[in-house]
Order: sequence, then structure tokens, then C-alpha cells
Amino acid sequence: GDSVTQMEGPVTLSEEAFLTINCTYTATGYPSLFWYVQYPGEGLQLLLKATKADDKGSNKGFEATYRKETTSFHLEKGSVQVSDSAVYFCALSDTGANSKLTFGKGITLSVRP
Amino acid sequence: NAGVTQTPKFQVLKTGQSMTLQCAQDMNHEYMSWYRQDPGMGLRLIHYSVGAGITDQGEVPNGYNVSRSTTEDFPLRLLSAAPSQTSVYFCASSYSYLQYQETQYFGPGTRLLVL
Repeated sequence: GDSVTQMEGPVTLSEEAFLTINCTYTATGYPSLFWYVQYPGEGLQLLLKATKADDKGSNKGFEATYRKETTSFHLEKGSVQVSDSAVYFCALSDTGANSKLTFGKGITLSVRP
Repeated sequence: NAGVTQTPKFQVLKTGQSMTLQCAQDMNHEYMSWYRQDPGMGLRLIHYSVGAGITDQGEVPNGYNVSRSTTEDFPLRLLSAAPSQTSVYFCASSYSYLQYQETQYFGPGTRLLVL
């Protein structure tokens, strides 16, 4: 079945550091890939997505490229801010009717001033 | 436009009690779902609905019931609460059931403690 594997956390960075959060996936079809972010005390919200191979999703300075050859969708940001402190979830949804969203376990990012 | 709303925000139950977690959306979304979030487990799908009158089971449906009598509302019922159901519950909705192309909109969550 479909699955998403995220790197183990938590991650603690200093402000303006470079961020990479790894995500790899297993899927039987042609999935769309997503990054969702959960700020403290809130529900999840979509950060970015990519629907086909080599697509790059971007938002708020974050980027992720859909790599079919390595089945990966790593999240990057060149310079993190304290306000980026949150839990980040990688997710996929395979094509087909009634398709579901499969989430990774999430990783907590803390950015210190 | 309130988006997805959930009530209550926090609830304490005793083992064996029943309760209903409310979820409503005002975006005329076709698809609604319930997830539970547990430490180290990510989000797991409990039940989902692709439209009024249609529901189906997700990954962890045992101990939970749902119904969808209107497009707007999708309540989650705990029939007989157990400590294993202590969790944070999120309701989500999207325009269609085609999850590979849709954005999910999440509610703020309900934190449930079962003693």
C-alpha cells in the first residue's frame, strides 16, 4: 500500500539557517505529493504541493521537488525564521476514485532566535 | 466564511461514556473526513464521506460512528469511550473526493482525554 516516511525529529535550528526535511514515499500509481504545516495549537494547513514528476511546489520561501527516480519530496528553505517553528507533515494521495491522503509521522521544527 | 469548525475544543470523558464531536464546514465541500493525531503516529484516517448520505471507513474506524445527513455537518460519535481513544481529533474537508488534486482544509481540533 501507499506509505510516507519522514526523517526522525525533532529538528532545532538557529534563525537564518538552511532547512532540509527529508520525505520519501511508496505508491502504486501516480501520486500527488503534499507538505502540510501545523502551527502550535492549530489545525493543519497546506504549505505546498506537486502533482507530477519534476514539479516544484513553493510557498512562503519553502520549496520541494517531486523526484520520481528517488521517490522523494524533500522540503527546503534557505533561511528559516522563528515563525517557521511548527510540525511539518509530508503526505501523498494516489490517483483513482475515493483516493485518500496518507500522512507521514510529522517532524517538529524549532527555530531559536 | 468560518471554514471548518469543531466543537468542543477540549473534553474529558470517563471510560464507557459516549459523546459526539461536532464538525461543520461552510464551503459547500463534498468531501469530509475525520483524523486522529497521536504522538509519533502522524494522522490516521478514521472515517470519511464523499457526499451527504455516503460514508466509509478509514484506517482506524473501530469504536467510532459517523453520519452525513447534510453537506455541512459530519459528526463523529464515540460509542463507549476507552483510554486508547485519548487523542487529538481533526475534521477536514475538500471540494471533491479526488484527494490527489485537492487541498484539505482542517479544523482547529478537539483534544479528548478518556480516563
